[in-house]
Amino acid sequence: AQKITQTQPGMFVQEKEAVTLDCTYDTSDQSYGLFWYKQPSSGEMIFLIYQGSYDEQNATEGRYSLNFQKARKSANLVISASQLGDSAMYFCAMREGPTWSSASKIIFGSGTRLSIRP
Amino acid sequence: DADVTQTPRNRITKTGKRIMLECSQTKGHDRMYWYRQDPGLGLRLIYYSFDVKDINKGEISDGYSVSRQAQAKFSLSLESAIPNQTALYFCATSDWRDTEAFFGQGTRLTVV
Repeated sequence: AQKITQTQPGMFVQEKEAVTLDCTYDTSDQSYGLFWYKQPSSGEMIFLIYQGSYDEQNATEGRYSLNFQKARKSANLVISASQLGDSAMYFCAMREGPTWSSASKIIFGSGTRLSIRP
Repeated sequence: DADVTQTPRNRITKTGKRIMLECSQTKGHDRMYWYRQDPGLGLRLIYYSFDVKDINKGEISDGYSVSRQAQAKFSLSLESAIPNQTALYFCATSDWRDTEAFFGQGTRLTVV
């Protein structure tokens, strides 16, 4: 069963608008982490933001924020004031297990391709 | 120099050949990962390693093997390459907290 679900294969957004990329996850662990990565057309993987399952406040990094709704098991990425350079693939990921565990691992969703229109 | 280096960056090989993809890191991290990326499927975990003595299979380990030669080096082998192993392969590292994974530039492998 898919543990990280990104239901939007592709999205088009007008420049300067805010955009929300959806991510839901499935885990029975109490301790886990959630990530978002950006992959531009050049192919590199760029870390954007991290949220721990015990963090009470939503994580923010510049124009990126992670809307963490634990009961709903969702971890949506919000990009404020989108820019042309935001056009890329975006991957949601989850660390299964606590940080101290040798068995913890990071798994990824299938991604959302975001295109920003000028 | 990049913190996580993958070699080669591109490779074309024939069906049935053995091939090794190498990854080295200068970040001093204990955790290392190998993923493959296919269009529409995202990144899928092949193997991961907590340290040199701890190696675990991921969701798609069949047809692959790994070697953790040192803390800084983690190699992925395809013993007998097949065309459906054509993909973009990524190595990644993270520290013990596993709160950020640092990726190599990727290896584009084509099996003909």
